[in-house]
Amino acid sequence: DARVTQTPRHKVTEMGQEVTMRCQPILGHNTVFWYRQTMMQGLELLAYFRNRAPLDDSGMPKDRFSAEMPDATLATLKIQPSEPRDSAVYFCASGQGLADYTDTQYFGPGTRLTVL
Amino acid sequence: TQLLEQSPQFLSIQEGENLTVYCNSSSVFSSLQWYRQEPGEGPVLLVTVVTGGEVKKLKRLTFQFGDARKDSSLHITAAQPGDTGLYLCAGAGNTGFQKLVFGTGTRLLVSP
Repeated sequence: DARVTQTPRHKVTEMGQEVTMRCQPILGHNTVFWYRQTMMQGLELLAYFRNRAPLDDSGMPKDRFSAEMPDATLATLKIQPSEPRDSAVYFCASGQGLADYTDTQYFGPGTRLTVL
Repeated sequence: TQLLEQSPQFLSIQEGENLTVYCNSSSVFSSLQWYRQEPGEGPVLLVTVVTGGEVKKLKRLTFQFGDARKDSSLHITAAQPGDTGLYLCAGAGNTGFQKLVFGTGTRLLVSP
């Protein structure tokens, strides 16, 4: 049963510290998405990769957030320096990247980040 | 900016009752998806609707896409405690592959 995996599942850190979240997309999927979920804002798209190339990161605060795909099996989301307002659940999702609007995004279990 | 408003925000019902969740926007979407999310997990896709006026059924769940492709509804018949969760609609616009805009969410609690 292929699944998207994310590590760590929980992270508590202090303001100013660097945070790195990792995601392993489903093997063979060529699109990867990073989302942030909060009670106030709901689920927001932060960044979107296709074939490891960043296609859209307009939802991501550029000054402190960065997203990369070093290889096809690993996507990373880094926050440096972290702030209390970054506290949220961060989800990674992957998809086959079908050339229409009916593709399925498979979500990982999320990383719950708390910045004190 | 494309926005999707869901109503109601919260719904608490008894097992066996029927319910409808609405997803509305002023924007036209190429497709509309519904997801269910359980605590501690990521959203899971339930259905995708593409054609205006389309109706899809998944056991006790009925999904409808509005004729103008701006709105959608989810109807659950005879709700079960296992239906408890956060229901999210998500629209795909014309901005490229699979860039989804998620709705505000409806949190459903079905009590035995």
